Amino acid sequence: GQQVMQIPQYQHVQEGEDFTTYCNSSTTLSNIQWYKQRPGGHPVFLIQLVKSGEVKKQKRLTFQFGEAKKNSSLHITATQTTDVGIYFCVARSGGSNYKLTFGKGTLLTVNP
Amino acid sequence: DAGITQSPRHKVTETGTPVTLRCHQTENHRYMYWYRQDPGHGLRLIHYSYGVKDTDKGEVSDGYSVSRSKTEDFLLTLESATSSQTSVYFCAISEAGQLNQPQHFGDGTRLSIL
Repeated sequence: GQQVMQIPQYQHVQEGEDFTTYCNSSTTLSNIQWYKQRPGGHPVFLIQLVKSGEVKKQKRLTFQFGEAKKNSSLHITATQTTDVGIYFCVARSGGSNYKLTFGKGTLLTVNP
Repeated sequence: DAGITQSPRHKVTETGTPVTLRCHQTENHRYMYWYRQDPGHGLRLIHYSYGVKDTDKGEVSDGYSVSRSKTEDFLLTLESATSSQTSVYFCAISEAGQLNQPQHFGDGTRLSIL
C-alpha cells in the first residue's frame, strides 16, 4: 500500500521560531491532506492539496505540494504555544478511494 | 465539530474478554472508519465501511471485526482481547469515499487490556 514518510518525528522549538515538517512518498500522489492533533485530542483536518506545485496559506501556516506530487511540506511561521501537537500528512492507500494512509506524524512542542 | 460519539470513552478489561466499541454519527455520512493510534505508529486503519452492511479490512484488521447495521452506527469488536490491542481507538466519518473529502474524527476510546 501507499507509504508516506514524515520527518522529523519530533521537533522542539522556542516560541517565535519557525517550524517545518515534510512528507515524502515514493509514488506520485493524487492529492494529500494535513491534519493536526492537539495533546489528548483527536485529529482535525487542516487542508488538502491537489495540484502540482500548489501552495496554500492559513494565517501562519503554509502548505506546499511538490511539483512531482511526491512530497509536501507544512511550514509554521513564528510558532506559538497553541501550535503544539502532532501534524499528520495523509495520502490515499493503494488504488482504493476509501482508505487513507497516515504518516507517523511530527510532534511539535513549543517552549514559551 | 461533526456529530460523532464514541462509547465508551475509557475501558479497562482483561485478556480474553470480548470488547465492543461503538461509533455513532448524526451526519448521515456514508463512510465510517476505525483507526488505532499507538506511539510511533501514527494512525492505522483497522476496518472501514462504505455503506450499511458494506465493510472492508484495513491494514491492521487481525483480531477485529466490525458491523454496520444502520447508517449511524459502526461497531468494532475485539472477540478475545489481547494486551497488544491496548490502544486509543478513533472512529472517523467522511461524506464521500474520495480523498478530496476530509475525515472527521470522534474523541477516541482509550482501551487497556490487562
